[in-house]
Amino acid sequence: DTAVSQTPKYLVTQMGNDKSIKCEQNLGHDTMYWYKQDSKKFLKIMFSYNNKELIINETVPNRFSPKSPDKAHLNLHINSLELGDSAVYFCASSSNPGQNYGYTFGSGTRLTVV
Amino acid sequence: QKEVEQDPGPLSVPEGAIVSLNCTYSNSAFQYFMWYRQYSRKGPELLMYTYSSGNKEDGRFTAQVDKSSKYISLFIRDSQPSDSATYLCAMSLYNNNDMRFGAGTRLTVKP
Repeated sequence: DTAVSQTPKYLVTQMGNDKSIKCEQNLGHDTMYWYKQDSKKFLKIMFSYNNKELIINETVPNRFSPKSPDKAHLNLHINSLELGDSAVYFCASSSNPGQNYGYTFGSGTRLTVV
Repeated sequence: QKEVEQDPGPLSVPEGAIVSLNCTYSNSAFQYFMWYRQYSRKGPELLMYTYSSGNKEDGRFTAQVDKSSKYISLFIRDSQPSDSATYLCAMSLYNNNDMRFGAGTRLTVKP
């Protein structure tokens, strides 16, 4: 069973389009995250949700909107895609704050905007 | 200055060598220190986890944390070609919701 699963794995789309990436975890974790990894492999946090509540919202264009229907799911919707949005987007989850055992990552969604 | 600094490499070593990977950081409040391994086109996976200062060993891997110097290290003994990956250091404060990653060091172990 995949612990953190993301769909789709690959996404190629044109500038100006709107797209969504879905993430689900079956670990029973309370916190989920979206990270963006650029071409130089640098991982930067975008959003963090704890029990469906937004707790971290880094400086991200408001074209990016996360949605958490329940604590096992965290989706990312991107409006008006731009060339600079091309990157690999990782979903991750972790157990409760104070129980710091690291994050479990999904395998990533490789987004290419053309 | 970035919160977490890590030399991106690339680093190439022969099979069997001892590998040393390092990160420095600026926020003295970090308490949890981790190393992740990321294979090509995969997500990062947790390799080592350390709380506060000290050493931790797991098989061929040893993680060291020196909080006084704000410096962490990962040592890989008897390196294998299967260790070829990008290694990312990560650290966080007490609440686990603010993990900061280094840029990752790309390691190649040649047979």
